[in-house]
Amino acid sequence: SQQGEEDPQALSIQEGENATMNCSYKTSINNLQWYRQNSGRGLVHLILIRSNEREKHSGRLRVTLDTSKKSSSLLITASRAADTASYFCATDAWNSGGSNYKLTFGKGTLLTVNP
Amino acid sequence: DAGITQSPRHKVTETGTPVTLRCHQTENHRYMYWYRQDPGHGLRLIHYSYGVKDTDKGEVSDGYSVSRSKTEDFLLTLESATSSQTSVYFCAISGKGGRYYEQYFGPGTRLTVT
Repeated sequence: SQQGEEDPQALSIQEGENATMNCSYKTSINNLQWYRQNSGRGLVHLILIRSNEREKHSGRLRVTLDTSKKSSSLLITASRAADTASYFCATDAWNSGGSNYKLTFGKGTLLTVNP
Repeated sequence: DAGITQSPRHKVTETGTPVTLRCHQTENHRYMYWYRQDPGHGLRLIHYSYGVKDTDKGEVSDGYSVSRSKTEDFLLTLESATSSQTSVYFCAISGKGGRYYEQYFGPGTRLTVT
């Protein structure tokens, strides 16, 4: 089952505008990550936020995390046509022995930035 | 480029035939993962490996098996392909230098089962 669920499923904006995508999850996490996928390509890691962090920045990306609400948001500022892609949040889990690590991805938000 | 390749990139096969997809890495990452991506379902974990000969099941492992006989190769086998296994398959790697969290993805294999 999906751990993370992105909202909205699709978002269309004009170049220069900001884009905000949200992710909700169900169980406690160690970290939450955001990935981008351009059409026909593999996913690319964007940013990781730890469970004890509330906000993190990387270039034009801003990620927030609210563990009490089990939610995260990804803000892309001053968007460009090249930002057109699908964006996925991913939550992590270690097994009880601490030897195996895996991610659970949401279904993604398709962002279209119009020139 | 994280030094990860997948082969073949595209494959069309008939129902009931065995299919093996290969993931190859050159970066000595400990962890390797196989996902499938389908419309409406996002990315789902099939199997993963945390070392040579060490593998575990993901959430959609039925109908799939894996093997990892050396660090650089992780094979995904569909013993008897079904139409429901038509999908895009992605391999991912992580763990080099203790960086377990970030996963690096291959370019994907588009599999069609007719």
